Amino acid sequence: DVVMTQSPVYLPVSPGQPASIFCRSSEGLADRDGVTFFNWYQQRPGQSPRRLIYKISNRDSGVPDRFSGSGSGTDFTLRISSVEAGDAGVYFCTQGTHWPYTFGQGTKLEIK
Amino acid sequence: EVQLMESGGGLVQPGGSLSLSCSASGFTFNRFALHWVRQGPGKGLEYVSAIDHEGRNVYYAESVRGRFTMTRDNSKNTVHLQMSSLTTDDTAVYFCAKVVDGGYALWGQGTTVTVSS
Repeated sequence: DVVMTQSPVYLPVSPGQPASIFCRSSEGLADRDGVTFFNWYQQRPGQSPRRLIYKISNRDSGVPDRFSGSGSGTDFTLRISSVEAGDAGVYFCTQGTHWPYTFGQGTKLEIK
Repeated sequence: EVQLMESGGGLVQPGGSLSLSCSASGFTFNRFALHWVRQGPGKGLEYVSAIDHEGRNVYYAESVRGRFTMTRDNSKNTVHLQMSSLTTDDTAVYFCAKVVDGGYALWGQGTTVTVSS
């Protein structure tokens, strides 16, 4: 299975400051057509996960443009340009290129 | 409203069985694959099983293969997860999720399964 490794595990950030979360996969995530099925999710305390970003850099409906995704191959980044109090929670990366889908271990974003 | 709603969780003894259901609304159910994903206490997320839009192809994580069975009824907009030979390692919140563009575009609220004597 493809292993997804996130860093950092814990990320304290002050409101208004930027934040970056990294994810590395053990194999390249581009499929034979060159499409990379890489996603970022947010899980607020007590809630179900919510997808923020799909195919590396596409925001899901309703996701603020403060959130952006980038990367290629095996290395990917989620950036929050200006953190708000409501952004607290755990962020996961996942890949859907190789079977089975696999998840990163999560990054806990704490608002200082 | 576009949503998924799981049900059927509860407390079961080791070695026991439990059946989960996930009911969908607000979208064309028979056009999408669905997965079950679980989250153990204080743990990350783990893919459990998957079913294609027609229900012809079903896949399982190694950890549940031979013990869990996933099915769908497109006439009722529902998927099911029949779980047997449960162990304490199966204790988790179980989510059903709609697959779009190689990821989980929609999640249910989850249902809790606790395996304990």
